[in-house]
Amino acid sequence: DGGITQSPKYLFRKEGQNVTLSCEQNLNHDAMYWYRQDPGQGLRLIYYSQIVNDFQKGDIAEGYSVSREKKESFPLTVTSAQKNPTAFYLCATRNTGDPYGNTIYFGEGSWLTVV
Amino acid sequence: AQSVTQPDIHITVSEGASLELRCNYSYGATPYLFWYVQSPGQGLQLLLKYFSGDTLVQGIKGFEAEFKRSQSSFNLRKPSVHWSDAAEYFCAVGPNLYNNNDMRFGAGTRLTVKP
Repeated sequence: DGGITQSPKYLFRKEGQNVTLSCEQNLNHDAMYWYRQDPGQGLRLIYYSQIVNDFQKGDIAEGYSVSREKKESFPLTVTSAQKNPTAFYLCATRNTGDPYGNTIYFGEGSWLTVV
Repeated sequence: AQSVTQPDIHITVSEGASLELRCNYSYGATPYLFWYVQSPGQGLQLLLKYFSGDTLVQGIKGFEAEFKRSQSSFNLRKPSVHWSDAAEYFCAVGPNLYNNNDMRFGAGTRLTVKP
């Protein structure tokens, strides 16, 4: 199957713990993104990566970290420094070689709850 | 900086009635515009996109949108709503070939369909 796979779908974390959300894609897209979604606030960008071994902070990067060691993978770590991590997290990809729209494609999301 | 406004947080329509969801954008150059739909707890699915040419764009599931540069709008329409259309809808303005910034999303409009 082609697409974007996020795991786990549901994750519970105790306060003070770091957790890592996985995002894997087999679309051969260069760019990958992490968004956070809270009710009534739409999507906010956490980090994005245009190529392997390079990534940029988005609007709300504090308390998060990422790596891009492989084109297919862009894991997101939610650290204990993130004050309010309970949210729905969406991974997305984009084919930067597409001259006709640069569409972003989304995974199914991961729910993170801090308990 | 680019931005998107969806003036309506929640809309309720009767099944079979027509639908129009509003979207206004702010962007200095020719925009790439998108509409996505999200079912509860799921990722975002692309409905349609505009990047050039005909200002009336057809999408999946019977949706269409019209780009009006003079009004900076990209409203989504459907002539007859089905109960399965109940979801959250996001308008977005996206990166172009010369801008590596990410896609900007509106806060979303939640659609309820009455029987």
